[in-house]
Amino acid sequence: DGGITQSPKYLFRKEGQNVTLSCEQNLNHDAMYWYRQDPGQGLRLIYYSQIVNDFQKGDIAEGYSVSREKKESFPLTVTSAQKNPTAFYLCASNTRTNNINQPQHFGDGTRLSIL
Amino acid sequence: RKEVEQDPGPFNVPEGATVAFNCTYSNSASQSFFWYRQDCRKEPKLLMSVYSSGNEDGRFTAQLNRASQYISLLIRDSKLSDSATYLCVVNRADQGGKLIFGQGTELSVKP
Repeated sequence: DGGITQSPKYLFRKEGQNVTLSCEQNLNHDAMYWYRQDPGQGLRLIYYSQIVNDFQKGDIAEGYSVSREKKESFPLTVTSAQKNPTAFYLCASNTRTNNINQPQHFGDGTRLSIL
Repeated sequence: RKEVEQDPGPFNVPEGATVAFNCTYSNSASQSFFWYRQDCRKEPKLLMSVYSSGNEDGRFTAQLNRASQYISLLIRDSKLSDSATYLCVVNRADQGGKLIFGQGTELSVKP
């Protein structure tokens, strides 16, 4: 079955700790995205990557880092510099057809909390 | 002003009702448009894309008015299972396909 897999489903972070959220897709999509959702709010873009070995900051990149060494994988690291990391983190991917961005499809998310 | 704005909710309707959600976007560079559905504590799932000519999928009808920068979603014959938050989403082609999300409109369908 093709899809996007995020892990872990739940994650707890201690003060001063970096944690990494995994996102893997087997849809052969070129573009991948990381969003953050806070309770009662819309999704906000953290980072995105349109091609391997390249990525761009989104609207709220401070305190986060990413890598895109493989097409299938786009891990997100929440660093100790992110002072308010508690949120629902969503990874998404899509492709372009006839120069039009197709809808993004989401993984089932990781809930991150501070211990 | 937010780039994508939706009707504030929640909408509480009886089963069988028709309900309409409205959404406006401020940036004319927006290229494509979608409605997503998000259940409580779950990921958003694509409900339908929105085309200029309007499109229908069963009980759901989406409309786009580019001149007014306005998108709508109509749900007919509401079911209990339609209860969810509906997200209006625009795609900014000028920003690498970045999706801009509205804050969502919550729908609760009651028996």
